[in-house]
Amino acid sequence: ETGVTQTPRHLVMGMTNKKSLKCEQHLGHNAMYWYKQSAKKPLELMFVYSLEERVENNSVPSRFSPECPNSSHLFLHLHTLQPEDSALYLCASSQRTSYLDEQYFGPGTRLTVT
Amino acid sequence: DQQVKQNSPSLSVQEGRISILNCDYTNSMFDYFLWYKKYPAEGPTFLISISSIKDKNEDGRFTVFLNKSAKHLSLHIVPSQPGDSAVYFCAASINAGGTSYGKLTFGQGTILTVHP
Repeated sequence: ETGVTQTPRHLVMGMTNKKSLKCEQHLGHNAMYWYKQSAKKPLELMFVYSLEERVENNSVPSRFSPECPNSSHLFLHLHTLQPEDSALYLCASSQRTSYLDEQYFGPGTRLTVT
Repeated sequence: DQQVKQNSPSLSVQEGRISILNCDYTNSMFDYFLWYKKYPAEGPTFLISISSIKDKNEDGRFTVFLNKSAKHLSLHIVPSQPGDSAVYFCAASINAGGTSYGKLTFGQGTILTVHP
């Protein structure tokens, strides 16, 4: 149990659907992240939220829309996705200090776009 | 351009022996390095880290070595156990100036299999 939960664990959606991924952290951290892991590729950072403010947006297409309503919850809203968006989406959290921080990951949502 | 590379997709080791996982990076600005372990159907789990002011960090059976001049780090597991079988990712970040932006750049991972 890492203290970071993600729902749903698996999601199949059509290209015209709208869905949302949810992440919740129970660690009292103040930063949350979305990562994407495609087959045979490294984890790619998508978004960073620190103190509920988005501080990083790694050139992610607008069909992915993050939301961080408070320090414990993070959402990724999905609409009009493409089949190449099929991947494992991982959420992470950390306690950002003035120097170093380790990120703690959730189990991921396996997304398939048909 | 992949800034963090793990050139061995897989490694197979006998139980009790040493496992050595390697990682190379190209960005000389990286000053903090981490190793994560990932089991199937789970998210990556933090294992051990090292900052660039050190060349070695040890935690039980796990030791990470950093060679800044070669831009290379390695993770040693000794003795290896079957439960260590997993995918291992190295990651790097830039923390210069005392501000951590939390941006980790990951390698593509190495699958470690430890045989009984």
